[in-house]
Amino acid sequence: GENVEQHPSTLSVQEGDSAVIKCTYSDSASNYFPWYKQELGKGPQLIIDIRSNVGEKKDQRIAVTLNKTAKHFSLHITETQPEDSAVYFCAASIANDMRFGAGTRLTVKP
Amino acid sequence: GAGVSQTPSNKVTEKGKYVELRCDPISGHTALYWYRQSLGQGPEFLIYFQGTGAADDSGLPNDRFFAVRPEGSVSTLKIQRTERGDSAVYLCASSLIVGEQFFGPGTRLTVL
Repeated sequence: GENVEQHPSTLSVQEGDSAVIKCTYSDSASNYFPWYKQELGKGPQLIIDIRSNVGEKKDQRIAVTLNKTAKHFSLHITETQPEDSAVYFCAASIANDMRFGAGTRLTVKP
Repeated sequence: GAGVSQTPSNKVTEKGKYVELRCDPISGHTALYWYRQSLGQGPEFLIYFQGTGAADDSGLPNDRFFAVRPEGSVSTLKIQRTERGDSAVYLCASSLIVGEQFFGPGTRLTVL
């Protein structure tokens, strides 16, 4: 089955700096790659996603890139703000079978 | 519009007891998923419904776990003879478009 690796497990940045989180997946048939933000005591919130026919997608301060050949994808957050502090999860999906990475705890220091 | 809702938000039970966790998906979403999340980990797939039927229950850890969705909307996850290792946050998600899943706030289950 699909295996998703995510790193780093923790990331601390200064407010205004950029943050990058990277994931790799094992099954080349995976075709949908969402990113979720989870705040303490809440469920994961979908923040951006990319499908396998696209190499990059951007939404304001966040962007995701996908390299199908290398089977890795990344989340980029620019101009980080304290409210970006949370745990971020990547996932890889084939149809309705979605597997998650272990998460990255991002801390943005004011 | 309303998102996915889950009740109760917290459930404390004793080892050996039976529990039911409820999920109300986003209206019109035909697919519904249950996940389990342990501390410091990503969500782990349990079961997926398409309409009323369980399309994939390969993630259920053993036969103490069972889920139903009798009318294709609300779903109930049932755990028999609970064990301390069942303690986790149980998440429900729903989707209309393949892959795009929206999560509820979860039910934190604690088995004493």
